[in-house]
Amino acid sequence: QKEVEQNSGPLSVPEGAIASLNCTYSDRGSQSFFWYRQYSGKSPELIMFIYSNGDKEDGRFTAQLNKASQYVSLLIRDSQPSDSATYLCAVNVAGGYNKLIFGAGTRLAVHP
Amino acid sequence: GAGVSQSPRYKVAKRGQDVALRCDPISGHVSLFWYQQALGQGPEFLTYFQNEAQLDKSGLPSDRFFAERPEGSVSTLKIQRTQQEDSAVYLCASSPPGRTDHNSPLHFGNGTRLTVT
Repeated sequence: QKEVEQNSGPLSVPEGAIASLNCTYSDRGSQSFFWYRQYSGKSPELIMFIYSNGDKEDGRFTAQLNKASQYVSLLIRDSQPSDSATYLCAVNVAGGYNKLIFGAGTRLAVHP
Repeated sequence: GAGVSQSPRYKVAKRGQDVALRCDPISGHVSLFWYQQALGQGPEFLTYFQNEAQLDKSGLPSDRFFAERPEGSVSTLKIQRTQQEDSAVYLCASSPPGRTDHNSPLHFGNGTRLTVT
């Protein structure tokens, strides 16, 4: 069974701090990694994707990938209360089409 | 709008009833996925279409679940003889063709929240 593991949280950070969200995956053949944000009662919204080892930055968000350790993370700088949501890590299933396996998500709470 | 459209937004069914959930993907997206999301969990894969062909239905939990996409555009997920454990949000997602070296992101619709009483 291919798995994606995330700490369920809640992760509580003060406004303006850096939030660090982590994810591990079991399929060594996975090549594509995605972070989705999901507000309560809403559908998942893509915020970052990363395909290569290293860091990828987009505004306040940085995705980090380490394929050797099978680890992907998301850093949110200058966290805002509006960032409070569940963050879903998704990993493609190797050797086929665009099927994604999702973790259970980490709930982030940014308090003023 | 240009996003993935799902209907109905909410559905309440009595146990034993049949339901049909509709998904209209983004125009030009050949790949279409159905996911099931239980409360507090991540989305779980149900089935995948490439155009009209259903290439993977390994996630369908039982033979009460059936999906189709007859013309390679709109898709319908049908659940027969609904049970309480079918209560969940059903998400449809579509994606354009990916490159050979990496995958395209999935774009999700707003989902259908099914409650079986």
